[in-house]
Amino acid sequence: KNEVEQSPQNLTAQEGEFITINCSYSVGISALHWLQQHPGGGIVSLFMLSSGKKKHGRLIATINIQEKHSSLHITASHPRDSAVYICAVMYTGNQFYFGTGTSLTVIP
Amino acid sequence: EPEVTQTPSHQVTQMGQEVILRCVPISNHLYFYWYRQILGQKVEFLVSFYNNEISEKSEIFDDQFSVERPDGSNFTLKIRSTKLEDSAMYFCASSRAGLNYGYTFGSGTRLTVV
Repeated sequence: KNEVEQSPQNLTAQEGEFITINCSYSVGISALHWLQQHPGGGIVSLFMLSSGKKKHGRLIATINIQEKHSSLHITASHPRDSAVYICAVMYTGNQFYFGTGTSLTVIP
Repeated sequence: EPEVTQTPSHQVTQMGQEVILRCVPISNHLYFYWYRQILGQKVEFLVSFYNNEISEKSEIFDDQFSVERPDGSNFTLKIRSTKLEDSAMYFCASSRAGLNYGYTFGSGTRLTVV
């Protein structure tokens, strides 16, 4: 029930490339979060989704409830986007289940 | 922008000692959480706290752990009799109205048990 799968595990891109990170989960959820973890370890909340699509700057997050799948897109990637991106889902209750993260490196 | 503040940023302790990790959540937030990330592993939920009591906890959060909001601003995680396997990054988070309304993480406390 609690599996959250992310792909790819590691991603290297050239500056300016369009990047997609995927997250899939096994059963219905009440919310999904995309998080960014910096090399120093700090975590930043990027988006919370329960349906549809959200956009913030160069980041876009989408979720397809029927397919149990979410994607995080980064347009015009930049070296400062290099970080680990984590998908976390909430089923019933107040507890998150985290994916293992996607490590992104953007090369100048 | 308001922040969740965690102290200390790094703590080293002897096995068997008690540690207290401190967090100052955002002032108008009502829900508080502790998470743990062992090096190289996933972030794991430990406990959520609302209205001065634990609202949910994971199986990791056993009798060794306790949480407290002693003075209306601090939110603490106490680990009694630390073990080597408690070495991890511990994150505090807070939210205004439950996780569905977004939340803010602290920058974490790296605990090393030697």
